[in-house]
Amino acid sequence: QKEVEQNSGPLSVPEGAIASLNCTYSDRGSQSFFWYRQYSGKSPELIMFIYSNGDKEDGRFTAQLNKASQYVSLLIRDSQPSDSATYLCAVGAGSYQLTFGKGTKLSVIP
Amino acid sequence: EADIYQTPRYLVIGTGKKITLECSQTMGHDKMYWYQQDPGMELHLIHYSYGVNSTEKGDLSSESTVSRIRTEHFPLTLESARPSHTSQYLCASSDQTAGYGYTFGSGTRLTVV
Repeated sequence: QKEVEQNSGPLSVPEGAIASLNCTYSDRGSQSFFWYRQYSGKSPELIMFIYSNGDKEDGRFTAQLNKASQYVSLLIRDSQPSDSATYLCAVGAGSYQLTFGKGTKLSVIP
Repeated sequence: EADIYQTPRYLVIGTGKKITLECSQTMGHDKMYWYQQDPGMELHLIHYSYGVNSTEKGDLSSESTVSRIRTEHFPLTLESARPSHTSQYLCASSDQTAGYGYTFGSGTRLTVV
């Protein structure tokens, strides 16, 4: 059974701070890793994907992958109230299907 | 802006009715998926398709069926709606763009009364 674990939160950070969201996965054969943002009542939106160990940066977002530790994280710099949402970690392991975590709810306090 | 469309956006229907939720994408993606998600809860895979005339059931048995006669179209049908089917239904598609990450439609919020 492939599992993707996330802390459900809520994670509260002050405006302007760095938000750190974490995800662990069980399948060592996992090859692709995704972060989705989902606002309340809306559908998930892909914000980052990463394949290789290390960091990948896109604007205020940085995804970090450590395959040896089976760990992927998302850092959000200069957090804004508009970043308040649920962040879903998703993992692909060879098939085209993704396994999703339950999500971490982030609240950015003005 | 996502090029995957779901209709209707909201639907309220009586128990026992047959309904079809529509999903179409203009991106030419081979892979398409249907997920069910209750408010604040995790995504559950209902059905998926890797191409025309190819459909498979996912982890969640929702007493629904799908068809994939055209690449761009992947409708979901409930033969007899029940209150337990009340949920949000999300359609998604993918290809090698963004490493087979999914693009989701806006969803259909279904209420069965």
